[in-house]
Amino acid sequence: SQKIEQNSEALNIQEGKTATLTCNYTNYSPAYLQWYRQDPGRGPVFLLLIRENEKEKRKERLKVTFDTTLKQSLFHITASQPADSATYLCALLFSGGYNKLIFGAGTRLAVHP
Amino acid sequence: GAGVSQSPRYKVAKRGQDVALRCDPISGHVSLFWYQQALGQGPEFLTYFQNEAQLDKSGLPSDRFFAERPEGSVSTLKIQRTQQEDSAVYLCASSSTGGDTGELFFGEGSRLTVL
Repeated sequence: SQKIEQNSEALNIQEGKTATLTCNYTNYSPAYLQWYRQDPGRGPVFLLLIRENEKEKRKERLKVTFDTTLKQSLFHITASQPADSATYLCALLFSGGYNKLIFGAGTRLAVHP
Repeated sequence: GAGVSQSPRYKVAKRGQDVALRCDPISGHVSLFWYQQALGQGPEFLTYFQNEAQLDKSGLPSDRFFAERPEGSVSTLKIQRTQQEDSAVYLCASSSTGGDTGELFFGEGSRLTVL
């Protein structure tokens, strides 16, 4: 079965630095990968989608890379701010998965002033 | 409405009770998903609807769980004879696409606590 791994430990960084979060997966290659942000007590909010034939995607201060050889995605937040503190989830859709997004456990990011 | 609406936000049930959780997706969204999220974990897929058709229910943990979307809009997730292990946040999400899933819009979730 598919397995998705995200850093289980919280990531603590200083304001203004770049935060880098990792998502690794095993077995089959996904058709695409999404990143979501989740605040405590709230539902996840979509951030970015990257397809299997794309290497990199950017949106404002966010950047996502997708390496299907390493079976890994990296999620970067540049010039981080305390408001970026949240849990970040990666989610994969595998071919033949019939619209079933599989989520990782998430990594909690804390940006300190 | 402007977003996905779920009710109730919080539900406390005694073990053995039946519960019903409601989801109002974004108007016109074809796809509707239910996920279960335990504390400190990511959302786990339960079931998927395309309009009124339940196309995938492979994630429902037991036959005590049942979901419906009779008119292709509002959906209800029902849990019969609740057990303590059913305690979790139940998230509903909708999407405008019927095939290749794009962005999912999530509700705020219904937190179920079974005593």
